[in-house]
Amino acid sequence: DAGVTQSPTHLIKTRGQQVTLRCSPKSGHDTVSWYQQALGQGPQFIFQYYEEEERQRGNFPDRFSGHQFPNYSSELNVNALLLGDSALYLCASSLKRSRLNQPQHFGDGTRLSIL
Amino acid sequence: DAKTTQPTSMDCAEGRAANLPCNHSTISGNEYVYWYRQIHSQGPQYIIHGLKNNETNEMASLIITEDRKSSTLILPHATLRDTAVYYCIVRADKLIFGTGTRLQVFP
Repeated sequence: DAGVTQSPTHLIKTRGQQVTLRCSPKSGHDTVSWYQQALGQGPQFIFQYYEEEERQRGNFPDRFSGHQFPNYSSELNVNALLLGDSALYLCASSLKRSRLNQPQHFGDGTRLSIL
Repeated sequence: DAKTTQPTSMDCAEGRAANLPCNHSTISGNEYVYWYRQIHSQGPQYIIHGLKNNETNEMASLIITEDRKSSTLILPHATLRDTAVYYCIVRADKLIFGTGTRLQVFP
């Protein structure tokens, strides 16, 4: 049973560029959430996608956008990269249609470095 | 969103039980308590969750007080591989991570 997979594992970009990160959810999951984790801090919620729509959003600028595809996989796009965007980007998947508050399961992230 | 309070760090001898406390005094009636841990350079790993009853799985036990204002994660026989940052969270959809507890298991 494949867990959450993210690609690429590492990425180096320069300021002003754009980046796309990808996530495949755990088998059977229909909801994808994205988090940003700066060095030494806990993950911060960016947004959540369900049924191909953004359902919740954290305190992140519009430079951060996303997409969910019919197969439930998702992309995170960041435009006009800043040095402060350097972080570990985590994807988590879960099953929305559950009455038992099923937990989110995380991938190992994409480490993005901005030069 | 309910906030949680955890000790910054704890130590535990290998083979002993590790008891990690969490205060969540503002938790609402329908919010679950979730525990995750994060080992360096990996994504957070789900451990266990519960609403009001005590829970146990192959990884840990979760004890929730009757008033639900606090909980304790118990690792019954800690190993060196349990060294990690442990997060207590009280919302399912939008996980709000605090600073967590850095557990160091020593030989």
